Amino acid sequence: QSVLTQPPSASGTPGQRVVISCSGSSSNIGSDTVTWYQQLPGAAPKLLIFRHNQRPSGVPDRFSGSKSGTSASLAISGLQSEDEADYYCAAWDDSLNGWLFGGGTKLTVL
Amino acid sequence: QVQLVESGGALVKPGGSLRLSCAASGFTFNDYYMTWVRQAPGKGLEWVSFISGSSDFQNYADSVKGRFTISRDDAQNSVFLQMKSLRAEDTAVYFCARGTGDGVLDFWGQGALVTVSS
Repeated sequence: QSVLTQPPSASGTPGQRVVISCSGSSSNIGSDTVTWYQQLPGAAPKLLIFRHNQRPSGVPDRFSGSKSGTSASLAISGLQSEDEADYYCAAWDDSLNGWLFGGGTKLTVL
Repeated sequence: QVQLVESGGALVKPGGSLRLSCAASGFTFNDYYMTWVRQAPGKGLEWVSFISGSSDFQNYADSVKGRFTISRDDAQNSVFLQMKSLRAEDTAVYFCARGTGDGVLDFWGQGALVTVSS
């Protein structure tokens, strides 16, 4: 089964802005809401962004999401050491009739 | 607050069977889809199955279709994953997650480890 395409790694120094991309198709990102998850080592995924750019309560506004056509992106501004984690995009796929996930991006704070 | 607690993870031999459970609390259980998502060691997330609030709809990833069965008991606020004909490639942490009507998996359990090995 296909996955959404993310870069395997990203990095930045404290205070920098980092952008993680997620590429899909018309049957998933192009037609449905995009969600982003943060997964710290040894923990369950945590909802970070939903409906492309909405944040659950408790998620800092340093995290933002956007979508254009069949691609989406997660931006993290004012990078902090505690942001070091794996980040996954996800979307419902109309062909699969289920959820598709990106392969994950490991963010390193240098 | 919303809580999802998985149980039933174990070491099982190839070809064996296992049943995972997920106990939910803190929300109106039958208002939500429930899903299972797995993560193989060192790998990314893979959706496995979902079941609708009324149990009317279920679906499975191709990798588990015909071998796994999802079910729910709304009276017990629980969702289950019956797994049979297990293979080494089914080794993973299995997460239970709540799904909203617009396709968001908004709360996740801590996961249950399933290891398939002889």
